[in-house]
Amino acid sequence: SYELTQPPSMSVSPGQTASITCSGHKLGDKYACWFQQKPGQSPLLVIYQDSRRPSGIPERFSGSNSGNTATLTISETQAMDEADYYCQAWDSTTAVFGGGTKLTVL
Amino acid sequence: QVTLRESGPALVKPTQTLTLTCTFSGFSLTTNGMCVNWIRQPPGKALEWLARIDWDDEKYYSTSLKTRLTISKDTSKNQVVLTMTNLDPVDTATYYCARTNTAAASNFLDPWGQGTLVTVSS
Repeated sequence: SYELTQPPSMSVSPGQTASITCSGHKLGDKYACWFQQKPGQSPLLVIYQDSRRPSGIPERFSGSNSGNTATLTISETQAMDEADYYCQAWDSTTAVFGGGTKLTVL
Repeated sequence: QVTLRESGPALVKPTQTLTLTCTFSGFSLTTNGMCVNWIRQPPGKALEWLARIDWDDEKYYSTSLKTRLTISKDTSKNQVVLTMTNLDPVDTATYYCARTNTAAASNFLDPWGQGTLVTVSS
């Protein structure tokens, strides 16, 4: 079965850039999405179709996808960006999620 | 505005069958491309996709759980029902439903319901 791999955790200083990776076989041939989840809340779509931002998502969130790796980049990271981030792609008709990355802003 | 809301029992005993309902508004499951998905998340763990039902009644299931899952829809009530048989404590999780649209350029899960926590315990 298809798998997506993310680093379990990472930390970033306020105002710096955070780059969260998601790896999967030929992931670049699929569309990748990214979800932000804060404690006690439902996942929120922050990037779809590799690099597109839904309405209301700040411009500091961006995405890319090529080869075997998709990347979520958060520029000028703020304290409010501290959350779990999940990548997701479709393997035919099955949705696959990465294991999640806990982003700490400190 | 599209909204989804999950409902179901908070506590289920092992070996029992779980029935969850997703009630939605703002779209119709008779519209070409519209789909509703179920996803779960055990406490402190990652998201896991379970199943999807499409506007044309096509159904898709997680390979690892397909023998225990059944998804159905009632378009007149704007509801999607997921049943899971033979519950085990490892099935304890928050269960979410979310919409996708296969008629769009990419099929993304948005929006999500608020989730419902199901605990499996005797």
